[in-house]
Amino acid sequence: QVQLQESGPGLVKPSETLSLTCTVSGGSVTSGSYYWSWIRQPPGKGLEWIAYIYYSGSTNYNPSLKSRVTISVDTSKNQFSLKLRSVTAADTAVYYCARLLIGRLDMDVWGKGTTVTVSS
Amino acid sequence: QSVLTQPPSASGTPGQRVTISCSGSSSNIGSNTVNWYQQLPGTAPKVLIYTNNQRPSGVPDRFSGSKSGTSASLAISGLQSEDEADYYCATWDDSLHGPVFGGGTELTVL
Repeated sequence: QVQLQESGPGLVKPSETLSLTCTVSGGSVTSGSYYWSWIRQPPGKGLEWIAYIYYSGSTNYNPSLKSRVTISVDTSKNQFSLKLRSVTAADTAVYYCARLLIGRLDMDVWGKGTTVTVSS
Repeated sequence: QSVLTQPPSASGTPGQRVTISCSGSSSNIGSNTVNWYQQLPGTAPKVLIYTNNQRPSGVPDRFSGSKSGTSASLAISGLQSEDEADYYCATWDDSLHGPVFGGGTELTVL
């Protein structure tokens, strides 16, 4: 049973960089069947896709965030990571990592989510 | 503003049938399959329906999905109190080369 677990600081100051890591257990990020994704959910709002990465390092970003986001994968640690630069209060959200099944194009496994608050 | 349009709320009494709509465009629903996610309070979303009308193992057959043109819908029959949750439609967008979501529908069981 594949499980995903987000980790990272719960509080980030405005203008700084938000850094999160998703650790994959029970499976491998090198599986060719998946994109490894980040999604966020601001308080009381809906879901927003941020980015995804293939194990080879190929990436795609939501255009609305592309200028501030970097996603990366570390196959040796079975992890993938997110960096969001120049954060503001609007970036306060629950951040989820998820596995996106390439054939079906749905996110079949999600982490429990981690809350990140942007505040001084 | 979400790419896909859903009603913000829906409601029904136990045992009733409820439907939730999802509207998109030719670059997303019109050319790709639709998935539905259920998000219980305080938890991560869970896939409820994939590829328009397929249920993962463990999802009751009270949940069904359909798609026509640039719209899709989720139907829940025999409504139960444990179905109270937020429901999100999602699909792939050919312009973004990534997934897009609806704004979510909060389902209340009266």
